[in-house]
Amino acid sequence: QVQLVESGGGVVQPGRSLRLSCAASGFTFSSYAMHWVRQAPGKGLEWVAIIWSDESHEYYADSVKGRFTISRDNWRNTLYLQMNSLRGEDTAVYYCARDMWDSRGYRFDYWGQGTLVTVSS
Amino acid sequence: IVLTQSPGTLSLSPGERATLSCRASQSVSSSYLAWYQQKPGQAPRLLIYGASSRATGIPDRFSGSGSGTDFTLTISRLEPEDFAVYYCQYYGTSLFTFGQGTNLEIK
Repeated sequence: QVQLVESGGGVVQPGRSLRLSCAASGFTFSSYAMHWVRQAPGKGLEWVAIIWSDESHEYYADSVKGRFTISRDNWRNTLYLQMNSLRGEDTAVYYCARDMWDSRGYRFDYWGQGTLVTVSS
Repeated sequence: IVLTQSPGTLSLSPGERATLSCRASQSVSSSYLAWYQQKPGQAPRLLIYGASSRATGIPDRFSGSGSGTDFTLTISRLEPEDFAVYYCQYYGTSLFTFGQGTNLEIK
């Protein structure tokens, strides 16, 4: 079955960096675009970034553009999010999600359980 | 595109019908409209995509409808496990947008 397992979260000081990982299994990882979505404590969902299956394209939310970098290793079936220059407003649970598109519609069909990032001095 | 969900909170009893609204600030393609359910401490779960197609394993008491700017998620008869927060989502020129959520709570 499809599994997405995030790791790498923790407490980090403002201005520092952190790298999140999302280990994928149960599907052909290299065939799917992947996303990062975050949720600040008590708030709604915010899309963060997408990377194409072949790494040919990446797009970011304006709130993280220039500070975050999404990447993937299709041999290791792993998605990454490199977060630099972290701010308090980046505190959130970060989820990875699989992108799915077919004739019936577009969706994020599988989600990981999330990893918490807390930016605090 | 901004997605506005209403109501913010909906208080109903098990067995009742729930109607959740998602309104887009401009007309959107139904193909790119999805609904998710999130329970406390859990990841979101896909319910509906393409505005009206149920995801795998989703009970048929959940249904989606709408077009243009107005979309609806209907739960025909609420079960105790349905009380959660529901989000609509759109993929478009602004990339990926979520509504602010509707909290469906037990009355």
